[in-house]
Amino acid sequence: DGGITQSPKYLFRKEGQNVTLSCEQNLNHDAMYWYRQDPGQGLRLIYYSQIVNDFQKGDIAEGYSVSREKKESFPLTVTSAQKNPTAFYLCASSIAAAGSGANVLTFGAGSRLTVL
Amino acid sequence: KNQVEQSPQSLIILEGKNCTLQCNYTVSPFSNLRWYKQDTGRGPVSLTIMTFSENTKSNGRYTATLDADTKQSSLHITASQLSDSASYICVVRANRDDKIIFGKGTRLHILP
Repeated sequence: DGGITQSPKYLFRKEGQNVTLSCEQNLNHDAMYWYRQDPGQGLRLIYYSQIVNDFQKGDIAEGYSVSREKKESFPLTVTSAQKNPTAFYLCASSIAAAGSGANVLTFGAGSRLTVL
Repeated sequence: KNQVEQSPQSLIILEGKNCTLQCNYTVSPFSNLRWYKQDTGRGPVSLTIMTFSENTKSNGRYTATLDADTKQSSLHITASQLSDSASYICVVRANRDDKIIFGKGTRLHILP
């Protein structure tokens, strides 16, 4: 079955530690995205990538880093510089990036990060 | 400023009843509007997409409407089921920079 796989589902981290969230897709989608979801707020864009080896900052990129070495993979690292990292993180992908307005975002099941 | 506002924030109805969720947006120029359903602890799933020229679109018991003049959309759920309990998110795509703006969602609870 085609889709997006995020891991781990739940993650606990001590303050000061970096943590990497995995996102893998087998949909052959070009564009991939990372969003953060907090209670009572809309999804906020952290980073996005339109093509391999290229990515752009979203609205709240500070304290996060990404890589796009393969089309299928777009891991997100939450660094110790992120002041409030406890949140639900969602990875998404779409067929193509800018200019293809009708594309639907396909989301993964999410990763819940809790900082202790 | 591009914004998407949804109402109500939360809604509780009895199983079998109908309900309507609202979405107002100020995104311009407008490309399309989607409604997503998000079950608790899961990722959102697309229900419908509306473009500028479309007024109504149905997906089973879900019917979305769009008034591009007043920049309003609604999602009507008919004969609600317990499985409809979820958050419903309105998402608008801007035409100029392809930016995607998410509403905060409406949390729907269906009681047996």
